[in-house]
Amino acid sequence: EVQLVESGGGLVKPGGSLRLSCAASGFTFSNAWMSWVRQAPGKGLEWVGRIKSKTDGGTTDYAAPVKGRFTISRDDSQNTLYLQMNSLKTEDTAVYYCGRGSYSGFDYWGQGTLVTVSS
Amino acid sequence: SYELTQPPSVSVSPGQTASITCSGDKLGDKYVSWYQQKPGQSPVLVIYQDSKRPSGIPERFSGSNSGSTATLTISGTQAVDEADYYCQAWDSSTAIFGGGTKLTVL
Repeated sequence: EVQLVESGGGLVKPGGSLRLSCAASGFTFSNAWMSWVRQAPGKGLEWVGRIKSKTDGGTTDYAAPVKGRFTISRDDSQNTLYLQMNSLKTEDTAVYYCGRGSYSGFDYWGQGTLVTVSS
Repeated sequence: SYELTQPPSVSVSPGQTASITCSGDKLGDKYVSWYQQKPGQSPVLVIYQDSKRPSGIPERFSGSNSGSTATLTISGTQAVDEADYYCQAWDSSTAIFGGGTKLTVL
């Protein structure tokens, strides 16, 4: 059974940093392209960024609002996806989901982890 | 930047057909996915590559995409289908989501 479990969310002050993790199981993680998607309270889905599999280059792409502040990485030996978030702003407050997939849609999602940026 | 536009809300009577649209410039040239999200839950993929259904998704869900509009159709809508629905496409290397449509079954 495919499982994605996010962790690392919490309360952080504006300008602070946080690292989210997404533990994957039930599939060959190293072959998967993975994304982070967020959802502000009461709002819609917003794509944050993606990392390709290492065999496809392992490159990353980011949405404009987070480019230069957020970094996606992966540890295939630990089947874990990461999202390093720096210079956090109040508008980054959201539930952050990790998702598997890419051009054919995101077929599996985690349960999400809440990040609150507030002073 | 590329945008996808959905109606904020759609209402349908049980057993009837619900259609949710998603519009964008030359959207028919891109693959569209659709997600269902119920309150307090994670999104679920219901359609990918315009019209394909993942395993486990009921046959009443179908999709199409042509010109500048993609459509998610739910035939014989049931109360359990009440949810928010999001379309999604890729513009170059960026994933774009529509603003979401709240489907009410009444």
